[in-house]
Amino acid sequence: DAGITQSPRHKVTETGTPVTLRCHQTENHRYMYWYRQDPGHGLRLIHYSYGVKDTDKGEVSDGYSVSRSKTEDFLLTLESATSSQTSVYFCAISESGTDFEEPQHFGDGTRLSIL
Amino acid sequence: GNSVTQMEGPVTLSEEAFLTINCTYTATGYPSLFWYVQYPGEGLQLLLKATKADDKGSNKGFEATYRKETTSFHLEKGSVQVSDSAVYFCAPGISGNTPLVFGKGTRLSVIA
Repeated sequence: DAGITQSPRHKVTETGTPVTLRCHQTENHRYMYWYRQDPGHGLRLIHYSYGVKDTDKGEVSDGYSVSRSKTEDFLLTLESATSSQTSVYFCAISESGTDFEEPQHFGDGTRLSIL
Repeated sequence: GNSVTQMEGPVTLSEEAFLTINCTYTATGYPSLFWYVQYPGEGLQLLLKATKADDKGSNKGFEATYRKETTSFHLEKGSVQVSDSAVYFCAPGISGNTPLVFGKGTRLSVIA
């Protein structure tokens, strides 16, 4: 199994509070991704990173920011959480984003509830 | 850009039944194609892949053939088991700095 650790695994917080989710990898892969998974929407990309300090937006980036100061860590921050951000968040990594053949490897997810 | 249309679920089958989950895609160029599986409470795992036209990916009794002429990558299994109950996602690969685009997933429930 790919060495991906998401923390926390579960979190309950209140509307308006800041939240940071962490993804840590031990594979030294260049690419890292944050997705959210919601019923009826499948998996939607929030942000991704193609190197240290190199990030880009996905299709549902509003209300989220990311940072990657080290190869192994990719942080997702909700600056002021809203109930619509209640979801299951998955981190993924891949060795190369330029190779048609390269799949992604996923963490076990973080279940976030915003009351 | 790339997009995926995947068969809507949920799909409920009896054990040993034949499974087909349809997936069609639009893509620039000729990407690899992937099926991922998500068991309850877990992240997605790569199930199988095909890297070029007419390739057949296979794993754990599942198969899918890359059909360029119909832009399809349907997932099949001849005899499903209760342990195959999961959500299945289709995704085309992509080049450049843009990650995989996933279908919405198809939930499969297999009953004994």
